[in-house]
Amino acid sequence: DGGITQSPKYLFRKEGQNVTLSCEQNLNHDAMYWYRQDPGQGLRLIYYSQIVNDFQKGDIAEGYSVSREKKESFPLTVTSAQKNPTAFYLCASSISSYTGELFFGEGSRLTVL
Amino acid sequence: GIQVEQSPPDLILQEGANSTLRCNFSDSVNNLQWFHQNPWGQLINLFYIPSGTKQNGRLSATTVATERYSLLYISSSQTTDSGVYFCAVEGSNYQLIWGAGTKLIIKP
Repeated sequence: DGGITQSPKYLFRKEGQNVTLSCEQNLNHDAMYWYRQDPGQGLRLIYYSQIVNDFQKGDIAEGYSVSREKKESFPLTVTSAQKNPTAFYLCASSISSYTGELFFGEGSRLTVL
Repeated sequence: GIQVEQSPPDLILQEGANSTLRCNFSDSVNNLQWFHQNPWGQLINLFYIPSGTKQNGRLSATTVATERYSLLYISSSQTTDSGVYFCAVEGSNYQLIWGAGTKLIIKP
């Protein structure tokens, strides 16, 4: 089945460690996105990519990094510079950023101890 | 930038009831989407509806772009409808702007 796969679903890390969250899609979508969600809150855009080898900062990019070396893959690294990394992270994709219908993975829940 | 307001913020209903969720936006938008986030965090796209009316089973949505609002109707609610409903609009810069959501609880 086509879809978006995020891994791991749950991740615990010590403060000061970098962590990388995986996002893979087999929908042949050009655009991919990373969102952060805090408890009881809405979604905030971290980074997005409209095409391979290109990505743009969203509203809360500080302390995060991404790469887009393959169309189907858009990993997110939460660096030690992110001051409050504990959150629920959602990856999404759309056919293109201009047509917009968005599909989401199941999310990765990161807890920093 | 565009402001998106959803109402009500919380809604508690008995199973079988009908409900209407509202999304107001402050400026012209390219499109509007409704999502359901279940209690486990999974977000599902319900409707892609820049204007007009669409129906999918017990759910339907209407967007009146000229008046800058959209409505999501849920009929004969089931406990599996519980969760948070978000609307998101695409502004002129092609980025989605999200509302704060409506939390719906359906009691058996």
